[in-house]
Amino acid sequence: DTEVTQTPKHLVMGMTNKKSLKCEQHMGHRAMYWYKQKAKKPPELMFVYSYEKLSINESVPSRFSPECPNSSLLNLHLHALQPEDSALYLCASSQESGTRIAKNIQYFGAGTRLSVL
Amino acid sequence: GIQVEQSPPDLILQEGANSTLRCNFSDSVNNLQWFHQNPWGQLINLFYIPSGTKQNGRLSATTVATERYSLLYISSSQTTDSGVYFCAVPRRYLNTGNQFYFGTGTSLTVIP
Repeated sequence: DTEVTQTPKHLVMGMTNKKSLKCEQHMGHRAMYWYKQKAKKPPELMFVYSYEKLSINESVPSRFSPECPNSSLLNLHLHALQPEDSALYLCASSQESGTRIAKNIQYFGAGTRLSVL
Repeated sequence: GIQVEQSPPDLILQEGANSTLRCNFSDSVNNLQWFHQNPWGQLINLFYIPSGTKQNGRLSATTVATERYSLLYISSSQTTDSGVYFCAVPRRYLNTGNQFYFGTGTSLTVIP
């Protein structure tokens, strides 16, 4: 099983709303990732969790708040977003995120399409 | 940082045709993945290929790390091959190993 599950598939929110995106994997992977993808652009890394600890934050605004409650689950809490934050948000996982390259193979979820009005 | 350029940016094929997609990277890498993103946004891992050649059905990939490029071959293309193809290479972060940096992508449309 190489499945990463993301919910919801679509989300529309106002600029004053608070919402959360959820990502789940049951492959025993210890690294999980959030990416943001704008239309016709490649995915851009936002956050990396390794062994449930935040290891990389790519200078993401604080209105995006990640959380890793356990090794299978990754959340992205959204608050006071701007219309330019509308994008496809992708979650991925890999065995590890370190220097053992064979363990870095990433598996992606189907994404959440977010629209901020 | 490392630059990852893909060519061509857009490609339109008749069903049944063959094609070659290219990924050039500006620095030596020890890992490379090819992905297909379908029209609904799902990214599918096609190949993990730091060097050499791999084949999977109608798809094959070759990476020549010493010359800093990788090629993805699609033979007998089908409409389901449509989407965007990305290569991704590691970008080293101090103390935390490698994270992937995606190339510019090739948008493929296969017409019946």
